[in-house]
Amino acid sequence: DAKTTQPNSMESNEEEPVHLPCNHSTISGTDYIHWYRQLPSQGPEYVIHGLTSNVNNRMASLAIAEDRKSSTLILHRATLRDAAVYYCILESGGGADGLTFGKGTHLIIQP
Amino acid sequence: DVKVTQSSRYLVKRTGEKVFLECVQDMDHENMFWYRQDPGLGLRLIYFSYDVKMKEKGDIPEGYSVSREKKERFSLILESASTNQTSMYLCASSFPKGGTYEQYFGPGTRLTVT
Repeated sequence: DAKTTQPNSMESNEEEPVHLPCNHSTISGTDYIHWYRQLPSQGPEYVIHGLTSNVNNRMASLAIAEDRKSSTLILHRATLRDAAVYYCILESGGGADGLTFGKGTHLIIQP
Repeated sequence: DVKVTQSSRYLVKRTGEKVFLECVQDMDHENMFWYRQDPGLGLRLIYFSYDVKMKEKGDIPEGYSVSREKKERFSLILESASTNQTSMYLCASSFPKGGTYEQYFGPGTRLTVT
């Protein structure tokens, strides 16, 4: 499976935008880019996914580089409830064989 | 809303006991998964199932077995619990969305084996 690289931690202020980067230089043409997050004492939750084009949903935006070797999860206005570990994951579209989680980025939000 | 529920949030068992962790999802999803999560190691896939009575080994199946007799229920079994199986266990189910799959996770079961 293609691997992803994320910073161990990031800090941001409440009500400011947050840009979480992810490098995936060995991504294949059929890999989808997924983002999940895990709040303290909870299971991971789906945030967003994309293939080639940028994507928006109610939680976040996903910006994908033109060469697809990197992507950025954008939280437009961070709140304290966004403090979590964010995982960038590549999924080959098969879907049935699970996800490979890395260590993720621990996002700290300062009030 | 999709719901994935797990039978216990916290469980304490003794070494050598047989342990059953139950997971139920209410959205008719084909695929179900069991992961364990340990500090510094992240989430690791133990077993998964893409249909009733079907099972596939994940990355770390040793010491575990699974059962899927009904579509909505996926059980993880520790035949003889050992202290190195102390961990957070997470169940998930998935459905197809836009060419890929979105996974829904349960709240987790924190198992301590003494």
